[in-house]
Amino acid sequence: AQTVTQSQPEMSVQEAETVTLSCTYDTSENNYYLFWYKQPPSRQMILVIRQEAYKQQNATENRFSVNFQKAAKSFSLKISDSQLGDTAMYFCAFMINSGGSNYKLTFGKGTLLTVNP
Amino acid sequence: NAGVTQTPKFQVLKTGQSMTLQCAQDMNHNSMYWYRQDPGMGLRLIYYSASEGTTDKGEVPNGYNVSRLNKREFSLRLESAAPSQTSVYFCASSDRIRGFSNQPQHFGDGTRLSIL
Repeated sequence: AQTVTQSQPEMSVQEAETVTLSCTYDTSENNYYLFWYKQPPSRQMILVIRQEAYKQQNATENRFSVNFQKAAKSFSLKISDSQLGDTAMYFCAFMINSGGSNYKLTFGKGTLLTVNP
Repeated sequence: NAGVTQTPKFQVLKTGQSMTLQCAQDMNHNSMYWYRQDPGMGLRLIYYSASEGTTDKGEVPNGYNVSRLNKREFSLRLESAAPSQTSVYFCASSDRIRGFSNQPQHFGDGTRLSIL
């Protein structure tokens, strides 16, 4: 079974600064995907960024980037130039690329990020 | 395009009452999922349906039943609600045939369920 661990229940950052959220995972699979989801107070689940395990290059999406260390099974999220709208719960998630019939996600417990003005 | 629609958005039940949470998607997705979200626990999979006519247990299925009514609809039933089932429930769907383009699963907006 896969597990996802987010060791930081809460974090805070000043507006315009950079913050890094940690995520580690455990799996015996070699072909998988990793994701970061954002959940603002509206409860929507918003995909922030995704990383395919077979890709060595770290994914980036505007102000969001990841540091993917496959050997260490680490997948951290860096948010640059933090904005007030980044205040949300952030979930790290794992999915096996089985090519099969469904796409089950395993989530971490989340990190509540607060961006302070 | 509504995506994934969950009803109701809020509900309060008394212990022992029954309740069905409804979920419908209009994206022609094959797979659908029910999660619960509790403080400090992330999202945990209750049941999923890989395709129409099939359902399987997830991580926390006890106390719940599901029905994949057709390709669009996937309902979650609490037969005898307990306070431990107070949670926010999310439905999601994914596309089996084409894989996924931007995201693995599309989520509904959630149902906040309180059981007294």
